[in-house]
Amino acid sequence: DTAVSQTPKYLVTQMGNDKSIKCEQNLGHDTMYWYKQDSKKFLKIMFSYNNKELIINETVPNRFSPKSPDKAHLNLHINSLELGDSAVYFCASSQDLGASLSGTEAFFGQGTRLTVV
Amino acid sequence: SQQGEEDPQALSIQEGENATMNCSYKTSINNLQWYRQNSGRGLVHLILIRSNEREKHSGRLRVTLDTSKKSSSLLITASRAADTASYFCASVPLYNFNKFYFGSGTKLNVKP
Repeated sequence: DTAVSQTPKYLVTQMGNDKSIKCEQNLGHDTMYWYKQDSKKFLKIMFSYNNKELIINETVPNRFSPKSPDKAHLNLHINSLELGDSAVYFCASSQDLGASLSGTEAFFGQGTRLTVV
Repeated sequence: SQQGEEDPQALSIQEGENATMNCSYKTSINNLQWYRQNSGRGLVHLILIRSNEREKHSGRLRVTLDTSKKSSSLLITASRAADTASYFCASVPLYNFNKFYFGSGTKLNVKP
């Protein structure tokens, strides 16, 4: 039983294409995230959704559009891919901290390695 | 930027030795967490320390937190080859619980 699963694991595509990465969590969490990990392993938050509502957008180009059809899914669509978009993208989820003021951990998917050529 | 930073960037030790990694962050926090990332895998949560705590233990892990210096350290005692991984700290801001700010991690290599 995979808690946070994302597909595909690898994605190789040409510049200018549009692609999507899917993420699903079966933990019953209210909050989901997308993170980007660059070649230097720096992990940067991109988006955060809480109960299907966007709550964080960290100055990500508008070519990136997250979509949350329900609170168990958060997909990432990327338009007009550029070379600089090559990275590993991680989906994660956590409980809404409002329900647990003692702190909450994030559960990560295995990552999607995106290579733009 | 509100991102944290881990130090050192890389650490190589012999099996059985202790490994210490440090983390600095920039804003007031609700809590700070440490994660491990094995090569080609996602991050796995190790331990969480709240802002009103100074030290926490979990098995071979010991975490300290100094909020006055905005820093934390992770100590892994009696390291094993299986501890080889990258270790990240994540700071959770005081007024924005739904954010986890990571850095670029410390790459630990434990030689058998």
